[in-house]
Amino acid sequence: DIQLTQSPSSLSASVGDRITITCRASQGIRNSLAWYQQRPGKAPSLLLFATYTLADGVPARFSGSGSGTDYTLTISNLQPEDFATYYCQQYYSTPGRTFGQGTKVDIK
Amino acid sequence: QLQVVQSGAEVKKPGASVKFSCKASGSTFSGYYVHWVRQAPGQGLEWMGIIKPSGGATSYAQKFQSRLTMTSDSSASTVYMELSSLRSEDTAIYFCARGQFGYSSGPWGQGSLLTVSS
Repeated sequence: DIQLTQSPSSLSASVGDRITITCRASQGIRNSLAWYQQRPGKAPSLLLFATYTLADGVPARFSGSGSGTDYTLTISNLQPEDFATYYCQQYYSTPGRTFGQGTKVDIK
Repeated sequence: QLQVVQSGAEVKKPGASVKFSCKASGSTFSGYYVHWVRQAPGQGLEWMGIIKPSGGATSYAQKFQSRLTMTSDSSASTVYMELSSLRSEDTAIYFCARGQFGYSSGPWGQGSLLTVSS
């Protein structure tokens, strides 16, 4: 199975900050990467798929980039509702659509 | 507007089986896939498998191949996930979500808690 390593595991930030989360795959995944947000006690929700494409209703302050094995999620102008845990997921290798271990974003 | 509603919490003994349901309300799953993902207490997400409700085709993560079964009803409005030979490490919240072949575009169910304890 393809392994995904997210960094950092956690970070503290302030409202209005710009943050970047990295997801590194153990082999190339050809942009077959999605990002999810999970707030405490809630189900995850899709933010982006195919590396760059915003899911319906997701604000434009979320963006994705990357290629090969290295991908990033950037959140510009961090808002109070963005404090959550973020997961990347690859779907290049099936059946196992592995998740990264998560990055928790909390308030500084 | 589709809503996804999951069955309630279960408590099982080691070695037993559990079967959760995942129902589409307001529409059906027709034309989409349904993913199952679990989350152990305080841990991250773990992808388990996928079913295409129309037709019933399935694909499971290798880890669960021998003890996981996903099925759907003929109307493609409810899918089921059965996990057998339960052990304490299976204690988790189990989520289902409508999606594409690769990822879970949503909506997600509210989750079903499984507790495995002797």
